[in-house]
Amino acid sequence: NAGVTQTPKFRVLKTGQSMTLLCAQDMNHEYMYWYRQDPGMGLRLIHYSVGEGTTAKGEVPDGYNVSRLKKQNFLLGLESAAPSQTSVYFCASISRPRGRGETQYFGPGTRLLVL
Amino acid sequence: SQQGEEDPQALSIQEGENATMNCSYKTSINNLQWYRQNSGRGLVHLILIRSNEREKHSGRLRVTLDTSKKSSSLLITASRAADTASYFCATVEVGRDDKIIFGKGTRLHILP
Repeated sequence: NAGVTQTPKFRVLKTGQSMTLLCAQDMNHEYMYWYRQDPGMGLRLIHYSVGEGTTAKGEVPDGYNVSRLKKQNFLLGLESAAPSQTSVYFCASISRPRGRGETQYFGPGTRLLVL
Repeated sequence: SQQGEEDPQALSIQEGENATMNCSYKTSINNLQWYRQNSGRGLVHLILIRSNEREKHSGRLRVTLDTSKKSSSLLITASRAADTASYFCATVEVGRDDKIIFGKGTRLHILP
């Protein structure tokens, strides 16, 4: 049981390049989330998904797109990377909250540097 | 805008002392959670307290929740060097159980 994994661990991009970050979970969780973490800012929610085939915007969705074609995978795409997207990206998942909330399981993070 | 705001932003204490961190939030919540993050790592869940609970314990951790003041506190007793980390509160808003919003965190440093 690997939990939540993220690929890649680290990436350097040039401005304007595109890339996709992959999050995978093997816990059969319904809900998946993408956050970015910047110094002094804590975690900010980018996009999330409440089930296969669904996505929704979080606090800071601009410049990112997501897809949830399979229940176990949640992809985060940057179509045209900008230096402002330099950050550490975390994926998380939970089983269905059912209005009471449950704990999130986090991946190890992806460090992205945009030059 | 972020829901939770931790206070203080940074805290340094001697090993063995107690550490207290506070979290304030803005809206009505279903529950509030505390997480720990070691440097360069992902977040690890510590404890969850529901809106109808006032206090919860887990080992050396004690969490209180005051919904009238929209605030929570995390107390770590008998601190250890391994407690050095950043601590975040996260809230699940009423009617929005699909979203968990994090605060900016408190950086805790335990001095030997």
